[in-house]
Amino acid sequence: GENVEQHPSTLSVQEGDSAVIKCTYSDSASNYFPWYKQELGKRPQLIIDIRSNVGEKKDQRIAVTLNKTAKHFSLHITETQPEDSAVYFCAASKGNTGKLIFGQGTTLQVKP
Amino acid sequence: DAMVIQNPRYQVTQFGKPVTLSCSQTLNHNVMYWYQQKSSQAPKLLFHYYDKDFNNEADTPDNFQSRRPNTSFCFLDIRSPGLGDAAMYLCATSFKQGINIQYFGAGTRLSVL
Repeated sequence: GENVEQHPSTLSVQEGDSAVIKCTYSDSASNYFPWYKQELGKRPQLIIDIRSNVGEKKDQRIAVTLNKTAKHFSLHITETQPEDSAVYFCAASKGNTGKLIFGQGTTLQVKP
Repeated sequence: DAMVIQNPRYQVTQFGKPVTLSCSQTLNHNVMYWYQQKSSQAPKLLFHYYDKDFNNEADTPDNFQSRRPNTSFCFLDIRSPGLGDAAMYLCATSFKQGINIQYFGAGTRLSVL
């Protein structure tokens, strides 16, 4: 079945550094790739998403890149801040069902 | 600004005692999803409704059922909760199937004693 692998499982960076989280998906028909941020005890919140007809998307300090050939997509956070500390989930879906297949999550810790 | 509301936030039940979790939405979205999230794991889709059409995931246990009496409300029924069903249950909505953002509720944390 469809699978999304996410790495690393934990990531610790110094405030101001960049953080990169990578995901690989198995179903070449996937065409929508959202990233969610989940703080402890809170709901997952969409922070950025990308569709398969786009290679890169940026929103202030966060960006997502997509390589359809390699079936990779990555989240880039620049100038990290302590409030970026959370669990980040990537996901992939196919347009016909909207079903999200989540990666395993990355716990990001930004040290002041 | 809560648009997807889950009640209760915390639920304690006894082993084998039926429990119902509630989700409501003010977005008038067609699709409502129920996810199970265990500690340190990704959300796992249990089932979803597209309008009144129910779509069950193949690996969702029969112990889990759902009802959607109207557009705004959706319920998750656990008929005989086991210890392994203790988890966070997340409701999400999207405007329609396809490439549409899913909005999550704050979740209900279920404990089974």
